Amino acid sequence: NAGVTQTPKFRVLKTGQSMTLLCAQDMNHEYMYWYRQDPGMGLRLIHYSVGEGTTAKGEVPDGYNVSRLKKQNFLLGLESAAPSQTSVYFCASSPSPGGSEKLFFGSGTQLSVL
Amino acid sequence: SQQGEEDPQALSIQEGENATMNCSYKTSINNLQWYRQNSGRGLVHLILIRSNEREKHSGRLRVTLDTSKKSSSLLITASRAADTASYFCATARSDSSYKLIFGSGTRLLVRP
Repeated sequence: NAGVTQTPKFRVLKTGQSMTLLCAQDMNHEYMYWYRQDPGMGLRLIHYSVGEGTTAKGEVPDGYNVSRLKKQNFLLGLESAAPSQTSVYFCASSPSPGGSEKLFFGSGTQLSVL
Repeated sequence: SQQGEEDPQALSIQEGENATMNCSYKTSINNLQWYRQNSGRGLVHLILIRSNEREKHSGRLRVTLDTSKKSSSLLITASRAADTASYFCATARSDSSYKLIFGSGTRLLVRP
């Protein structure tokens, strides 16, 4: 039982490049989330999904897109990376709305945009 | 904007001492959660306290919630060096139960 798995763990991009971060969970959770964490700060919600085929914007959605084609996977895309998107990205999942039950987190993806 | 704000931002104590961290928030909530993050790792859930609860315990952890003051505290008793980590509170607003909004965290250092 792996829980929440994020790939890749590290990535360096040049400004303007695109990439996709993959989050996979094997707990059959309905709800999935993408957060970013900048140095000395808490987590900020980028996008979330309340079920397969659904996505919604969080606090800081600009510059990111997401897709939830399969229940177990939640993809985060950067179409044209900018230095301001240098951050650590965390995926999380929960069986119920994030506000009512705990979240299970992946180990993070450290992204640097040069 | 951040919903929860932790205080202090950093805390250094000796092993065996108690550590207290506080969290204040701005709007009505369904529940408040505390998470722990070891350096460079993902967050791990510690405890959830619902808006109709005032106090909750889990092992060496004690969490209180005062909805009238919109504040919560996390007490770690008899701290250990392994408790060194960042601790975050997260709130679920009453009007948006899908989202969990995190504070900026308290960095705890427990000296051996």
